Amino acid sequence: EVQLVESGGGVVQPGKSLRLSCSASGFVFDDYAMHWVRQAPGKGLEWVAGITWNSGNVAYADSVKGRFTISRDDARNSLYLHMNSLRHEDTAFYYCAKNVVATISEGGLDNWGRGTLVTVSS
Amino acid sequence: DIQMTQSPSSLSASVGDRITITCRAGQNFTRYLNWYHQKAGNAPKLLIYAASSLHSGVPSRFSGSGSGTDFTLIISGLQPEDFGTYYCQKSYGDIWTFGQGTRVEIQ
Repeated sequence: EVQLVESGGGVVQPGKSLRLSCSASGFVFDDYAMHWVRQAPGKGLEWVAGITWNSGNVAYADSVKGRFTISRDDARNSLYLHMNSLRHEDTAFYYCAKNVVATISEGGLDNWGRGTLVTVSS
Repeated sequence: DIQMTQSPSSLSASVGDRITITCRAGQNFTRYLNWYHQKAGNAPKLLIYAASSLHSGVPSRFSGSGSGTDFTLIISGLQPEDFGTYYCQKSYGDIWTFGQGTRVEIQ
């Protein structure tokens, strides 16, 4: 059974940094691209970032480009999201999601974690 | 970025009804369009990928169609468990985009 478990969320002040982690199991992690998707409380889904199976290509939403960094450690079956210069508008549940293919130029998200809440507040 | 516009933004229907949700893209991207269903407090679930392919385990009452800029999700025979919010998502190119969502309420 595929499992994705996010961790690292919490309350952080504006301008500070936070690192989210996603621990994966139940599938061959390095065969698939991975993504982060967020959802502000009561709002819709927003794609944040994606990374290919071999970390050869990454992509970011304009809203986080230059502030967030997606990475993966295949030896640890883990996905990360390093978030710098956090803003109030970054407050959201952050979901880790598995793509159905190895690249980020196509596919769909067939497995999701339960999410971790990031609250940016002074 | 390609904008995705869903309609309607919400709808109310009865069990057994056939409902249609549309998603219009601001640019042609062939068939790289997915549909998800999310219930409050839960992560989204993939229903349809590549515009018309039913994801494993998804009931056959769900179907998708379209290409280019206009896509449709149809639920034939609405069930009580189908309430929630439906999102389209463009997966063409490296930048992915979700529609704003369509909330479905069961009458």
